[in-house]
Amino acid sequence: EADIYQTPRYLVIGTGKKITLECSQTMGHDKMYWYQQDPGMELHLIHYSYGVNSTEKGDLSSESTVSRIRTEHFPLTLESARPSHTSQYLCASSRQGAGGNTIYFGEGSWLTVV
Amino acid sequence: AQSVTQLDSHVSVSEGTPVLLRCNYSSSYSPSLFWYVQHPNKGLQLLLKYTSAATLVKGINGFEAEFKKSETSFHLTKPSAHMSDAAEYFCVVRTGAGNMLTFGGGTRLMVKP
Repeated sequence: EADIYQTPRYLVIGTGKKITLECSQTMGHDKMYWYQQDPGMELHLIHYSYGVNSTEKGDLSSESTVSRIRTEHFPLTLESARPSHTSQYLCASSRQGAGGNTIYFGEGSWLTVV
Repeated sequence: AQSVTQLDSHVSVSEGTPVLLRCNYSSSYSPSLFWYVQHPNKGLQLLLKYTSAATLVKGINGFEAEFKKSETSFHLTKPSAHMSDAAEYFCVVRTGAGNMLTFGGGTRLMVKP
């Protein structure tokens, strides 16, 4: 089992609310990622980080923002949620090295905006 | 540019029969390839990975995959399906720079009693 945790697992919120999805890993990995997956659809990378104070946007445009103040923590924030943000958000981490290019995923956060 | 094509969006097999989930890729670099499984309401779990060592890769739960460079394929197989194998399976190629992943569209495996 990989040591990467996401909270909350399930969240239903109203339009216009601010929410933060938490992601923490205890493996000391430098690289962390956020993926978005709509039901039955492909995963898309929305944010990634190569280390502390490093954040980059991914392939899919997203209105969310991320921060990386500590190695183990990579929260994702939506300042004003909309129904179009309803989706599953998957956090992941990895460490570069010999055989270290495997990416480990959290269990996901299911967000519903009503 | 990298891309991954999973040739079947749905595969249905009977319990005890072989499983074949097909995946083709394109990559500008020597690729690393992965298969992940996602059970309902669960996160993604790594089944196996290919990173330029042996071309036949064995993973967890009896799954294996063979890297065929000439066919640009990385098909996932299992000799005998179990009911617990019912899930969605993703074929993934690692981008050459860093650890960026490109996911296939997923194949939903259904296992009939």
